[in-house]
Amino acid sequence: DTAVSQTPKYLVTQMGNDKSIKCEQNLGHDTMYWYKQDSKKFLKIMFSYNNKELIINETVPNRFSPKSPDKAHLNLHINSLELGDSAVYFCASSLLTSGDNEQFFGPGTRLTVL
Amino acid sequence: QKEVEQNSGPLSVPEGAIASLNCTYSDRGSQSFFWYRQYSGKSPELIMFIYSNGDKEDGRFTAQLNKASQYVSLLIRDSQPSDSATYLCAVNPTGNQFYFGTGTSLTVIP
Repeated sequence: DTAVSQTPKYLVTQMGNDKSIKCEQNLGHDTMYWYKQDSKKFLKIMFSYNNKELIINETVPNRFSPKSPDKAHLNLHINSLELGDSAVYFCASSLLTSGDNEQFFGPGTRLTVL
Repeated sequence: QKEVEQNSGPLSVPEGAIASLNCTYSDRGSQSFFWYRQYSGKSPELIMFIYSNGDKEDGRFTAQLNKASQYVSLLIRDSQPSDSATYLCAVNPTGNQFYFGTGTSLTVIP
């Protein structure tokens, strides 16, 4: 019973390519997030969606575009990949919108840009 | 200044000892504080959260919050080798925002 799932688990690609990472949660949560974790383990929020609507959009390049077809899914599309995009990307979800809720994380997608 | 700061470690303690992990935050209006554990190659998982000043205990774990000093800590009693992981402090300053520290790497030596 996977609560938050992401695909793919690993993604190796060339600079300049466009790629997508998919995320799904079966917890019935209203809010979903994308985080980026760099090589120094720093976990930084990128986006947050509540019931398919964007509520947090941190300072990330326009090349990153989240899409939420329904409240159980939040996909991340990245255009024109750069070397600095290499990181582990985590999807997460929480029951409510406010920050004082436990977030459940997916297994992560390790993106390597060559 | 980073919103949440932690000593990156590594912190090493012998098995059975108390491990003390510390975190400071910059936003004085922060309301909620979380400790996540992350094993190597895995995703973060919640250990504890705390909202009020003072101590909160859950099994071998105790979270301590001092809002006046903008300081939150995690104590792990009777440390076990299975506690070896990176511990992430997270803070909800307001609304929907959520900031993580860079984590403290803990090694429990058998």
